Amino acid sequence: DAGVTQSPTHLIKTRGQQVTLRCSPKSGHDTVSWYQQALGQGPQFIFQYYEEEERQRGNFPDRFSGHQFPNYSSELNVNALLLGDSALYLCASSLERGAGEQYFGPGTRLTVT
Amino acid sequence: GENVEQHPSTLSVQEGDSAVIKCTYSDSASNYFPWYKQELGKRPQLIIDIRSNVGEKKDQRIAVTLNKTAKHFSLHITETQPEDSAVYFCAADAGGTSYGKLTFGQGTILTVHP
Repeated sequence: DAGVTQSPTHLIKTRGQQVTLRCSPKSGHDTVSWYQQALGQGPQFIFQYYEEEERQRGNFPDRFSGHQFPNYSSELNVNALLLGDSALYLCASSLERGAGEQYFGPGTRLTVT
Repeated sequence: GENVEQHPSTLSVQEGDSAVIKCTYSDSASNYFPWYKQELGKRPQLIIDIRSNVGEKKDQRIAVTLNKTAKHFSLHITETQPEDSAVYFCAADAGGTSYGKLTFGQGTILTVHP
């Protein structure tokens, strides 16, 4: 039973560039949530996808966008990167009709220089 | 929106002692409260959770208690071991239209000394 996977593991980008991060949910899960975790902080909710639609969103600008595919995998896109976007980006999967448990992937460490 | 406060920010105990981490939340509609353990460089791992219709839940050496009236919940670890050393995060899910949106506390760095 495969857990949540994310790619790439690490990424270094320059200010102003664009980045795409990928997530495959745990087998059987249909909902994907994205979180940003700055160093020394708790994860912050970016948005959640279910049935290929963004269901809800946290306090992040429109530079952050996403997509969910028919196989439930998901992408997070960030445009016009800022230094402050440097963080660990975590994907969590869950079952929409489940008990609410979210299981996290290993994350993508993004560094913006 | 929901706000979760977590204390203490650091906690140091001797092996075999108990550890308690406390969290308060602001949204009375919150109904699901998970706890995550994050070791250095690793993913947050769900270790226990509790729902608003339950006051206490135990799983071997860990337990969580919830006081809905006071809007606070706590993680209790008994007989601590060095491998319990990690950062622990509490979180709250407000449910309803915010179902699935976890709001996290700031984390507690737990160090268990052998």
